[in-house]
Amino acid sequence: QVQLQESGPGLVKPSETLSLTCTVSGGSINSYYWSWIRQPPGKGMEWIGYIYYSGSTNFNPSLKSRVTISIDTSKNQFSLKLSSVTAADTAVYYCARGRVTFGGVIAFDYWGQGTLVTVSS
Amino acid sequence: SSELTQDPAVSVALGQTVRITCQGDSLRSYYASWYQQKPGQAPVLVIYSKNNRPSGIPDRFSGSSSGNTASLTITGAQAEDEADYYCNSRDSSGTPVVFGGGTKLTVL
Repeated sequence: QVQLQESGPGLVKPSETLSLTCTVSGGSINSYYWSWIRQPPGKGMEWIGYIYYSGSTNFNPSLKSRVTISIDTSKNQFSLKLSSVTAADTAVYYCARGRVTFGGVIAFDYWGQGTLVTVSS
Repeated sequence: SSELTQDPAVSVALGQTVRITCQGDSLRSYYASWYQQKPGQAPVLVIYSKNNRPSGIPDRFSGSSSGNTASLTITGAQAEDEADYYCNSRDSSGTPVVFGGGTKLTVL
């Protein structure tokens, strides 16, 4: 059974960089689109971006200038960095495994439990 | 703002059938996937590629698509189906992933 687990600081100061890591167990990180998705408290989900196991990336245009996603296949981990954070970046951050379904639509079949990151001084 | 539009809230009587919809121009070209999210939990994929269920998802969940609208139907809603439901697909400008705003389902 594939499992994903997010880790990283739960509190980040404004203007600093949010950093999270997702560790994948129970399956290989090779193949699939490894993604970050966030959900502000009481609101809907927002896709941040993904990295393919080969290292190619794609990001939400609204966040692209601030986002970096990297992958370490030797550790079965991928990571998120979001720079210049503000209170608007306060959210539960999920890592998820994306697979391509019919027509090229990416569906997320495994998710981490999520980690709340609060941006506050 | 999301390019996939969902009704904020829908209710259904226990044991009845409910349809949750997702509208967007991109749905004329792409299928939607659907997720169930209960309070304090991560989302769970319930439908992909229009009407495919992952292993373990009850067959009372089904999906369909027509024009610019994708639908998730729950036939014989159960109390445990009370949750938020989100659709996702591609958007019409090329962004590979977009989510709808979510629908809160109440089972009466």
